[in-house]
Amino acid sequence: GQQLNQSPQSMFIQEGEDVSMNCTSSSIFNTWLWYKQDPGEGPVLLIALYKAGELTSNGRLTAQFGITRKDSFLNISASIPSDVGIYFCAGQGGTYKYIFGTGTRLKVLA
Amino acid sequence: DAGVIQSPRHEVTEMGQEVTLRCKPISGHNSLFWYRQTMMRGLELLIYFNNNVPIDDSGMPEDRFSAKMPNASFSTLKIQPSEPRDSAVYFCASSFETGGTDTQYFGPGTRLTVL
Repeated sequence: GQQLNQSPQSMFIQEGEDVSMNCTSSSIFNTWLWYKQDPGEGPVLLIALYKAGELTSNGRLTAQFGITRKDSFLNISASIPSDVGIYFCAGQGGTYKYIFGTGTRLKVLA
Repeated sequence: DAGVIQSPRHEVTEMGQEVTLRCKPISGHNSLFWYRQTMMRGLELLIYFNNNVPIDDSGMPEDRFSAKMPNASFSTLKIQPSEPRDSAVYFCASSFETGGTDTQYFGPGTRLTVL
């Protein structure tokens, strides 16, 4: 099935560092979602974005809906060990169907 | 509030056996989705229900797969007969569709292993 391009694929960072990841699409989207998936669990919604240019924060997480509507970014500030997991973006183009990114696997070294 | 509930969490079966996965969506949600997740293909949408009616089943891989939603609070995904390549994590997600800005909430998934 179709997937969004998400980068980086994986990251190893030191505790306390900031993290940036992004998602790009060839299609325009009306909604961007960011999820985190822990091992053995389902994806948990972190942030939802509904307007181009929108910048939304959730604690140490900040996500932006790209102006072109073809990309989105997620930043995590001052990473901690529990930030470990796989982060997925998902884009929706006005129908029910979400297209999911390939995931960014984050590992935090204490 | 309870999230999306799936059962079983783990299922190990032998090739050829029938497998039934169950899902209870979040109360009040009108849309339900079944996904399959594998390392190779990521998250794939299998089928989408709206108001208990299957709207899009184009992601269902073969006739061996079938899904039902007899009421707003219950859905099943059945594989018969199962094959080793069906081994994956199957997620159910639900949302309240408002015409374009709904967000999906996932269950914990069922990890299926077909030997």
